[in-house]
Amino acid sequence: KAGVTQTPRYLIKTRGQQVTLSCSPISGHRSVSWYQQTPGQGLQFLFEYFSETQRNKGNFPGRFSGRQFSNSRSEMNVSTLELGDSALYLCASSLAAGEGPYEQYFGPGTRLTVT
Amino acid sequence: AQTVTQSQPEMSVQEAETVTLSCTYDTSESDYYLFWYKQPPSRQMILVIRQEAYKQQNATENRFSVNFQKAAKSFSLKISDSQLGDAAMYFCAYGGGGADGLTFGKGTHLIIQP
Repeated sequence: KAGVTQTPRYLIKTRGQQVTLSCSPISGHRSVSWYQQTPGQGLQFLFEYFSETQRNKGNFPGRFSGRQFSNSRSEMNVSTLELGDSALYLCASSLAAGEGPYEQYFGPGTRLTVT
Repeated sequence: AQTVTQSQPEMSVQEAETVTLSCTYDTSESDYYLFWYKQPPSRQMILVIRQEAYKQQNATENRFSVNFQKAAKSFSLKISDSQLGDAAMYFCAYGGGGADGLTFGKGTHLIIQP
């Protein structure tokens, strides 16, 4: 089975712009979670989607949003980019066949640099 | 809110020796999951091992095993017969019983000395 894929792998944007990142989960996985990884804050949970619905959201401003499509692919969007948004954005997928945080399988990440 | 603490920013071990990485967590939940993830340099995060809180038996995956002490809220990872390929950042993560995201520790950088 193919793993979690994320596009693009690298991105450079300017302050004030917006960006859209894409994630394709493992085939059969219906849950997609997004995380932000920075040297200072470590790994922080952004949000989780299951069956096209946002199930949970971390403590991030409204500039961070996401969605999930019927094929379980997910996108996250960051509007009005700030320098502090520079980070590695990780997507993770899981079966989510029932309750509980089933094992999450991570993609390679998108390295976003804001200048 | 749950917190996960990894008190060892960096650990070094000789190849073929055993090393233990520490993790403590804080939660008021009784039903939860704990994970160890490995992130090699410039490579993606890999799940190493998982432990359900309701299971008393410690999880084991080949050379990797955990020491889960629920009352002490401790979840350490033991790596036996360390190999050069084990060099990576290791993250301890907590998952609540509901549909929550994972809470990660700051990570431990493991160095394997040949």
